Amino acid sequence: LAKTTQPISMDSYEGQEVNITCSHNNIATNDYITWYQQFPSQGPRFIIQGYKTKVTNEVASLFIPADRKSSTLSLPRVSLSDTAVYYCPGGGNKLTFGTGTQLKVEL
Amino acid sequence: NAGVTQTPKFRILKIGQSMTLQCTQDMNHNYMYWYRQDPGMGLKLIYYSVGAGITDKGEVPNGYNVSRSTTEDFPLRLELAAPSQTSVYFCARSLSGMSGRSDGELFFGEGSRLTVL
Repeated sequence: LAKTTQPISMDSYEGQEVNITCSHNNIATNDYITWYQQFPSQGPRFIIQGYKTKVTNEVASLFIPADRKSSTLSLPRVSLSDTAVYYCPGGGNKLTFGTGTQLKVEL
Repeated sequence: NAGVTQTPKFRILKIGQSMTLQCTQDMNHNYMYWYRQDPGMGLKLIYYSVGAGITDKGEVPNGYNVSRSTTEDFPLRLELAAPSQTSVYFCARSLSGMSGRSDGELFFGEGSRLTVL
């Protein structure tokens, strides 16, 4: 299984930009990179996906370098409601989520 | 519920009992997944299916069984419940897998909280 590596936790303050980096050392050539957000007592929710370079939607941006060995989720101007666990699953069709990154946003 | 319905939402089992967690999707998606999430931990893949009649093991399949007789349903069976199976179980659907496709995002149900005493 192609597993990913990401920081266990991060702290930030409201209004700041947060960047969470994920290592995809064993990513397969055809695999897309996705990020999910999970709040307590809820299932994960899809945020963004990409294959290479940069992707932006209304929630976040995703940066993927040319070698695709890593990806960075960028959350602009976070608020308290962005406090959640963020996952960058690996494994292609056999998605493995790992422990994710616990983001805590404070005032 | 993101088009994924899980039942029951809560259940308490005694050690050795059996039960089935039901999962139904109404989007005609080929891929379906079962994950478990222990308190304070990430999600672990139990089983997944790429279409009716096809299932495969994930990271932690021991103690569980699945079947996929229709596209809509993907039940998870616990044969002999053990305290180690106390967890929240999430079912998910996906139009396609993440290999070579840009439409493979997962849509999760609300979860089934299982306690084994």
